[in-house]
Amino acid sequence: NAGVTQTPKFRVLKTGQSMTLLCAQDMNHEYMYWYRQDPGMGLRLIHYSVGEGTTAKGEVPDGYNVSRLKKQNFLLGLESAAPSQTSVYFCASSGSGGAPWDTQYFGPGTRLTVL
Amino acid sequence: SQQGEEDPQALSIQEGENATMNCSYKTSINNLQWYRQNSGRGLVHLILIRSNEREKHSGRLRVTLDTSKKSSSLLITASRAADTASYFCATDARTGRRALTFGSGTRLQVQP
Repeated sequence: NAGVTQTPKFRVLKTGQSMTLLCAQDMNHEYMYWYRQDPGMGLRLIHYSVGEGTTAKGEVPDGYNVSRLKKQNFLLGLESAAPSQTSVYFCASSGSGGAPWDTQYFGPGTRLTVL
Repeated sequence: SQQGEEDPQALSIQEGENATMNCSYKTSINNLQWYRQNSGRGLVHLILIRSNEREKHSGRLRVTLDTSKKSSSLLITASRAADTASYFCATDARTGRRALTFGSGTRLQVQP
């Protein structure tokens, strides 16, 4: 099993450009999450999904949109990138039959720089 | 503000010594988890302790939970250079949001 994978690993954008980050998991997990991590800080929840076709806002949702069209994929979109969105983005999944607050499995991260 | 706050922010010890990190939180929880993050990598789950448990062990890890003080500690015994990483506590804060809230982490440096 690959676990949680993220595409791409690195990306540089100019202000105003758009992009989509892809997260895929092969563990049949119900719950998926997008976080951002800024230098020296913990993770902040952007959006999450409790099942295929559902999404919900997290702690810092502004400037981001998400979609969960398939159970195994969770997409994070930036419609008009801003320098404040420079960060490392992590995807995670959990809950193959358990509670959503059980162990989360993380992807390797996407390092995004917005110039 | 963060639900979980780790203390200290940074810790440097010698190989073989024990490392203790603390986490305080603000609201009632179902469980508290500890994760490790090696530099440039994703987080890896270490241990979960439920609100009705007081202590839990896993290998060289010992976690305690004091719900009356809203605090937890992670003890790593006989540390190794490979334990060098950032350690985060995470809570499910009974807010109705089915997600974890992470603290800002403790950066542990184990000197060989």
